[in-house]
Amino acid sequence: AQSVTQLDSQVPVFEEAPVELRCNYSSSVSVYLFWYVQYPNQGLQLLLKYLSGSTLVKGINGFEAEFNKSQTSFHLRKPSVHISDTAEYFCAVSDRSNTGKLIFGQGTTLQVKP
Amino acid sequence: GAGVSQSPSNKVTEKGKDVELRCDPISGHTALYWYRQRLGQGLEFLIYFQGNSAPDKSGLPSDRFSAERTGESVSTLTIQRTQQEDSAVYLCASSRLTGSYEQYFGPGTRLTVT
Repeated sequence: AQSVTQLDSQVPVFEEAPVELRCNYSSSVSVYLFWYVQYPNQGLQLLLKYLSGSTLVKGINGFEAEFNKSQTSFHLRKPSVHISDTAEYFCAVSDRSNTGKLIFGQGTTLQVKP
Repeated sequence: GAGVSQSPSNKVTEKGKDVELRCDPISGHTALYWYRQRLGQGLEFLIYFQGNSAPDKSGLPSDRFSAERTGESVSTLTIQRTQQEDSAVYLCASSRLTGSYEQYFGPGTRLTVT
């Protein structure tokens, strides 16, 4: 079984500052890793995913994440945030079976202040 | 093309009543998932359908919950004898092929049990 821990429930940050949202996972098997974003009053949208290959993955809206197998982490980063990045961010894992079902973390609310 | 749609968007029901939630996946998507998002929590996997294979029901919280899907089209999630703890947003997602691992989410149905 897999589990995901998002270490921060809320992250307040000023506009144009860098941000890191932390995600750690636990699994006895190899996994795929995802970050989803949920903007206010909207559905979930995929930000980026790690399936294989380079451990640094780039996603939409200037976000990137790095897969660290030894630390079982998949932290999300952005060098300069905008007000429009205010949203709920979810880290998720999927085992490498054929179901693709996702196990989600509790979510991190990113609050970007002017 | 059209995204995943869900209906109703909001449902208020009395404790003990049955409710039925509907999901229309993206056309051509063979995999369909149901998740539940309780207030302030991450998403919980409920059930997964893939083509004509037997569904993965491992996430259903009790036998009051059931779901059906006809072929690769509409799915309905039914909750019988609703309880207050069933109050949540129920999200549906679909995926083209399990190997792509990108799930497209609907806007959700907000269920409130009074």
